[in-house]
Amino acid sequence: GQNIDQPTEMTATEGAIVQINCTYQTSGFNGLFWYQQHAGEAPTFLSYNVLDGLEEKGRFSSFLSRSKGYSYLLLKELQMKDSASYLCAVEGDYKLSFGAGTTVTVRA
Amino acid sequence: GAVVSQHPSWVICKSGTSVKIECRSLDFQATTMFWYRQFPKQSLMLMATSNEGSKATYEQGVEKDKFLINHASLTLSTLTVTSAHPEDSSFYICSAESGRGNEQYFGPGTRLTVT
Repeated sequence: GQNIDQPTEMTATEGAIVQINCTYQTSGFNGLFWYQQHAGEAPTFLSYNVLDGLEEKGRFSSFLSRSKGYSYLLLKELQMKDSASYLCAVEGDYKLSFGAGTTVTVRA
Repeated sequence: GAVVSQHPSWVICKSGTSVKIECRSLDFQATTMFWYRQFPKQSLMLMATSNEGSKATYEQGVEKDKFLINHASLTLSTLTVTSAHPEDSSFYICSAESGRGNEQYFGPGTRLTVT
């Protein structure tokens, strides 16, 4: 079975940094995705980690530790438009299993 | 590149009727397409995986006779919700995989409301 946990909500101030953690226990693992989803819209791809370590892409970075079943998404220099739900998804057995998502609210 | 479209973007139908949702990969050929359902404030739940020219693989608990999936070509998959009921009201999202890597490209979603 798949068990993917991430916090339900986080709030941060514009310009700040927020780290969203994701822990997983899955029957198979080929990689881990992070997606951003605004309300009523489809998810958009943010990052993909298959090896341990940090992947940096502009203001967003993602980290993976396969031995610990742990990942985090780091959002720097937060902007109001970053207010959204962030989904952690594990790829295994030729499909994606999603966490419930973390709603991030950015306040001025 | 890697654009996926869905049609319609929203639909309202009466209980007992059937609704067809189309998912198209516009600029690439999709070896595999996925159908997800998302209820308010919940995550995406995979309903089924479809490969062109073969029967879809449904996830546990998803009725294949109720949710008919046809992957007729490498750029088109359809989901038909048969005999829709109010509890089928949800946000249906498709995604497509090109086969050159494992990233899934998501469509914009279809909001179905059954009255």
